Amino acid sequence: EVQLVQSGAEVKQPGESLKLSCQGSGNSFATYWIGWVRQMPGTGLEWMGLIHVLDSDTRYRPSFEGQITISADKSISTAYLQWSSLQASDTGMYFCAGARHGTAVWNIWGQGTLVTVSS
Amino acid sequence: QSALTQPASVSGSPGQSITISCTGTSSDVGGHNYVSWYQQHPDKAPKAMIYDVSNRPSGVSSRFSGSKSGNTASLTISGLQAEDEADYYCNSYVRGGTYVFGSGTKVTVL
Repeated sequence: EVQLVQSGAEVKQPGESLKLSCQGSGNSFATYWIGWVRQMPGTGLEWMGLIHVLDSDTRYRPSFEGQITISADKSISTAYLQWSSLQASDTGMYFCAGARHGTAVWNIWGQGTLVTVSS
Repeated sequence: QSALTQPASVSGSPGQSITISCTGTSSDVGGHNYVSWYQQHPDKAPKAMIYDVSNRPSGVSSRFSGSKSGNTASLTISGLQAEDEADYYCNSYVRGGTYVFGSGTKVTVL
């Protein structure tokens, strides 16, 4: 089964750019939807958006549209979440999650990446 | 797309059963059967416990069950155990192709 490994923790200043990665192992990674989930300190889970790895069909939650970019490179089994200009309010834990195409169960998760944005 | 509504906390004694509700709208919970539930222990990634309203992924205890009526889905944990103490989130597909989580429920085993 596919497993997801995320890039390491980041400490950034406001206004900087950032790109997080989520690498999948396993032959069937291209058949997955990969979603990005934010968890701000002490709060719940929020969907940011998702991408189908095979054809890069991408959907964003309305509140994140224009604020982030989700992409994928199926040749290296990796999905990405990026910001062009971080804000302090982007501080939080970011998880990638996977659901096999045609299902709605997010049954594989990355370990999470902690992002701290502070001046 | 507001978060689905869950109670902030639910508690029970070992061996008891508890139920967590998840209320949405006809555009999400009430519009299809793509409702799932996730368990999250502190500083850990979430884990799928229920999918498609009432199905359990392989390896999940049969003590966990799910149901839905109208715009409200429910997760029941029977035979409550200390290891069930965690945060639980419902999740629903939303018309248009995205998803929305519930507000989260902290389960305490007394």
